[in-house]
Amino acid sequence: DAKTTQPNSMESNEEEPVHLPCNHSTISGTDYIHWYRQLPSQGPEYVIHGLTSNVNNRMASLAIAEDRKSSTLILHRATLRDAAVYYCILSAPYNQGGKLIFGQGTELSVKP
Amino acid sequence: GAVVSQHPSRVICKSGTSVKIECRSLDFQATTMFWYRQFPKQSLMLMATSNEGSKATYEQGVEKDKFLINHASLTLSTLTVTSAHPEDSSFYICSAYDRGVGETQYFGPGTRLLVL
Repeated sequence: DAKTTQPNSMESNEEEPVHLPCNHSTISGTDYIHWYRQLPSQGPEYVIHGLTSNVNNRMASLAIAEDRKSSTLILHRATLRDAAVYYCILSAPYNQGGKLIFGQGTELSVKP
Repeated sequence: GAVVSQHPSRVICKSGTSVKIECRSLDFQATTMFWYRQFPKQSLMLMATSNEGSKATYEQGVEKDKFLINHASLTLSTLTVTSAHPEDSSFYICSAYDRGVGETQYFGPGTRLLVL
């Protein structure tokens, strides 16, 4: 399974944008890029995913580099409820048995 | 979004007993479910892939005779920890693909197991 590299921790201020980076230089052509986040003592929550093009949803935006070797999760206005561990994960497509192999993630703290 | 539930949310048992954890997809059908384990301050570790109507596929190093998985219907997978010991105490989390959506996995809230 292709690996990802994320900073261990990041800090942000409330109501400011946050850019969470992820490197995945060994990504294969069919790998999807997924982002999940987890609050303490809860199951992970889906944030966003993409394949080649940038993606937007109500929670966040995902910017994917042209060579797909890196990506950035963008939270447009951080709130205190966004403080969590964010995981960037590569996986094969669902119909190819795509599994999510979690790395250590980035622990995001949000200051009021 | 799709909802996955787990039962129980927490369980305490004595060493040597077996514990069953249920994972249900409430509003979608899930041919594939996954089971994870998470120790304190660590990331999630994938234990096995559960496929409806067939045997589960276990990750390397996970004992299939200790962690029994049954996926008897499109909405229910169960994980049984047999002859539990204190080192099995952990946070167990399941997830499921909504096959109508495709690439998104939805996670349950987790089950906290404490073996005394």
